[in-house]
Amino acid sequence: GQNIDQPTEMTATEGAIVQINCTYQTSGFNGLFWYQQHAGEAPTFLSYNVLDGLEEKGRFSSFLSRSKGYSYLLLKELQMKDSASYLCAVVDSNYQLIWGAGTKLIIKP
Amino acid sequence: GAVVSQHPSRVICKSGTSVKIECRSLDFQATTMFWYRQFPKKSLMLMATSNEGSKATYEQGVEKDKFLINHASLTLSTLTVTSAHPEDSSFYICSARESGKENQPQHFGDGTRLSIL
Repeated sequence: GQNIDQPTEMTATEGAIVQINCTYQTSGFNGLFWYQQHAGEAPTFLSYNVLDGLEEKGRFSSFLSRSKGYSYLLLKELQMKDSASYLCAVVDSNYQLIWGAGTKLIIKP
Repeated sequence: GAVVSQHPSRVICKSGTSVKIECRSLDFQATTMFWYRQFPKKSLMLMATSNEGSKATYEQGVEKDKFLINHASLTLSTLTVTSAHPEDSSFYICSARESGKENQPQHFGDGTRLSIL
């Protein structure tokens, strides 16, 4: 079956750095997305990785290792507004999007 | 950038009412749109994939007679919750993917919070 694992919840301090991991086993791979979702709102796109390596976009970076079935989202200089759920999603061989359950990130002052 | 409009944003109605939710891609054509349901503190659950000009593809366990999907044009998909009951109360979110760009991110509507009394 297809499976995406990410931690349920993480806590970090304002101004610090946090890494949210995502591992996947899917039928084929055509890319991995990270989305941010604030409570009561729809998800918003953060990043897309299809090749191995690190993609940096401001305070957020996303890493992919296809051989290990592994990705992480790195958030730097954390702000209170970064408190949200972070969803990992993989595009499989049929171009279907397989969603992880999301990681709830709690930022403390 | 690409935008998806979903409305209404909130619906409160009596049990037995049918509710229609619209999802529009505003500046791109979407052959495929997706309908999700999300319970509080849970992840997105794909209900169905809406295909322009053909029948929707429903995920296992989703009643197609309960959740009617119509995708009559390249910019509009509708989800109708028929004879809604309190257990249908949830957050419904649509997304659209630009035609021919399967590797591009899905763009989400703002969601519809449905409350059935």
